[in-house]
Amino acid sequence: KAGVTQTPRYLIKTRGQQVTLSCSPISGHRSVSWYQQTPGQGLQFLFEYFSETQRNKGNFPGRFSGRQFSNSRSEMNVSTLELGDSALYLCASSLGAPSTDTQYFGPGTRLTVL
Amino acid sequence: AQSVTQLDSQVPVFEEAPVELRCNYSSSVSVYLFWYVQYPNQGLQLLLKYLSGSTLVKGINGFEAEFNKSQTSFHLRKPSVHISDTAEYFCAGLPTGAAGNKLTFGGGTRVLVKP
Repeated sequence: KAGVTQTPRYLIKTRGQQVTLSCSPISGHRSVSWYQQTPGQGLQFLFEYFSETQRNKGNFPGRFSGRQFSNSRSEMNVSTLELGDSALYLCASSLGAPSTDTQYFGPGTRLTVL
Repeated sequence: AQSVTQLDSQVPVFEEAPVELRCNYSSSVSVYLFWYVQYPNQGLQLLLKYLSGSTLVKGINGFEAEFNKSQTSFHLRKPSVHISDTAEYFCAGLPTGAAGNKLTFGGGTRVLVKP
């Protein structure tokens, strides 16, 4: 079975631009979660989608948004990029119900904001 | 509110020596607990998880962890490490009964295995 894939793997943007990151979960998984990893703040939960609905949301500003499609693929969007948005963005998928199903992480997208 | 604290940011250890990575949690409700490993330039991989039952949990790659409710701890141990265990390790918690996968992570512990 193919693992979680994230595209692109690396991205360089400038302040003020917007960016869209993509995540394809493991086949059959209905839950997709997004996390931001930075040296200063560590791993922080962004949001989770389950069956195309946002089920949980972390404490991030509205510039961060996401969605999930009917095939469970998910995208996250960051608008009006700031320098502090530079991070590794990790996507994880799971069967989703119950919540204790193991989450499988992708390799991440490394975003650099200049 | 929930928090997870990893008490050591870095742990150097010699090959074939034992290692213990400490994790403490704070939560107003019961939690499920997890340990993940992150190798350089990779995502996270689940090592083990505690949901209920036996407090000693065995995971992959020879790792095990013990849940201690009275001390609110979930320390990770391996009796003999290999060079390949060099990585960053994360402890995480999830409130029981919560809908969804909103994990709270500790700050991570970098393990450097020396020959």
